[in-house]
Amino acid sequence: DAKTTQPNSMESNEEEPVHLPCNHSTISGTDYIHWYRQLPSQGPEYVIHGLTSNVNNRMASLAIAEDRKSSTLILHRATLRDAAVYYCILREDNAGNMLTFGGGTRLMVKP
Amino acid sequence: GAVVSQHPSRVICKSGTSVKIECRSLDFQATTMFWYRQFPKQSLMLMATSNEGSKATYEQGVEKDKFLINHASLTLSTLTVTSAHPEDSSFYICSATDGYYNSPLHFGNGTRLTVT
Repeated sequence: DAKTTQPNSMESNEEEPVHLPCNHSTISGTDYIHWYRQLPSQGPEYVIHGLTSNVNNRMASLAIAEDRKSSTLILHRATLRDAAVYYCILREDNAGNMLTFGGGTRLMVKP
Repeated sequence: GAVVSQHPSRVICKSGTSVKIECRSLDFQATTMFWYRQFPKQSLMLMATSNEGSKATYEQGVEKDKFLINHASLTLSTLTVTSAHPEDSSFYICSATDGYYNSPLHFGNGTRLTVT
């Protein structure tokens, strides 16, 4: 299984940008990088995904390193509602389309 | 966006009884559905993968006779916890995909099972 490594926790101030890092040094050429977040007592919520190029959507931006061995999820202006566990996951095309969850990063947002 | 509905959100049952959890994809055809279990303060653990019309594939250590999975249509999968015991108390989450690996997965809101 392709694995990811994330910091256990991070803190941010409200209204400031947040950069959540993820290392995936064993990524293969066809693995997509997915980010999900989970609020307490809820199922994970899709945030963003990409393959090689940086991606932007209404929730966040995804910056992917040129060698694809790391990526960064960027929340441009953190709000209190962004406090959650953020999971960086590789979606492999030869693993039945499943997602294997690592420990994730618990983001705390201070008012 | 795509929606996955999971029901019930919360259930309490007595030890020895069975509980059924439903997972529906509301606006897309879910060729594959996944069932996860999550204990407090831990990450999600994959229990099984089910493809429409075929038997589920269970992860190592997950008892297939205890956790019965049925994926009878492209919009519905069910997980039945049979003869539940207190140690089965957990947060169960389903997710669904249209089968393209470059598509995001969509998750239900989870079911909190408490076995007394």
